[in-house]
Amino acid sequence: SAVISQKPSRDICQRGTSLTIQCQVDSQVTMMFWYRQQPGQSLTLIATANQGSEATYESGFVIDKFPISRPNLTFSTLTVSNMSPEDSSIYLCSVEKGAGYGYTFGSGTRLTVV
Amino acid sequence: KQEVTQIPAALSVPEGENLVLNCSFTDSAIYNLQWFRQDPGKGLTSLLLIQSSQREQTSGRLNASLDKSSGRSTLYIAASQPGDSATYLCAVRGGSEKLVFGKGTKLTVNP
Repeated sequence: SAVISQKPSRDICQRGTSLTIQCQVDSQVTMMFWYRQQPGQSLTLIATANQGSEATYESGFVIDKFPISRPNLTFSTLTVSNMSPEDSSIYLCSVEKGAGYGYTFGSGTRLTVV
Repeated sequence: KQEVTQIPAALSVPEGENLVLNCSFTDSAIYNLQWFRQDPGKGLTSLLLIQSSQREQTSGRLNASLDKSSGRSTLYIAASQPGDSATYLCAVRGGSEKLVFGKGTKLTVNP
């Protein structure tokens, strides 16, 4: 399975600022997925990032709030923009190396907005 | 729309007990099902992956079963240990390559 390095592991940010989260994969993958996990909740898919094209966002998530970059097949970033306390969550990236391999997740970014 | 339900939401057991976590899903047209473990504030660790054509998978003290026709999966943990304390998440993958997660079962194993 793939190994994902996700940074930062946690951060405390002021409202109105932005935070960029990075995920580096140890092998090339077609799609990378970004999830949000609000306190006490399960995971919700934010968007799917393909290399060379715009990310595909799920209902309730917009590019202006969560811009995503995917410059190559091993790297992606998610930015949480103009943050408010409601954005306090764990953000995770994920990849699937192939249909039979299952999904691998990064270690998560624990974001607190004050 | 696929929905995944996990029962119970929380479980507390004494060390050494065998236990079963349940997962059910509404659409049986799945590609595979994956069980994850999540420690507080952390990412997800994959425990077991069951393809739609398989009935069960085993890893150490863990055994996961899948009954696709009835939309059910179970995770069996043998001889539980305090280190097994975590939230266990069930997720199904359909043809869209997206995972749908249950809300998890929070397990506490008491010494």
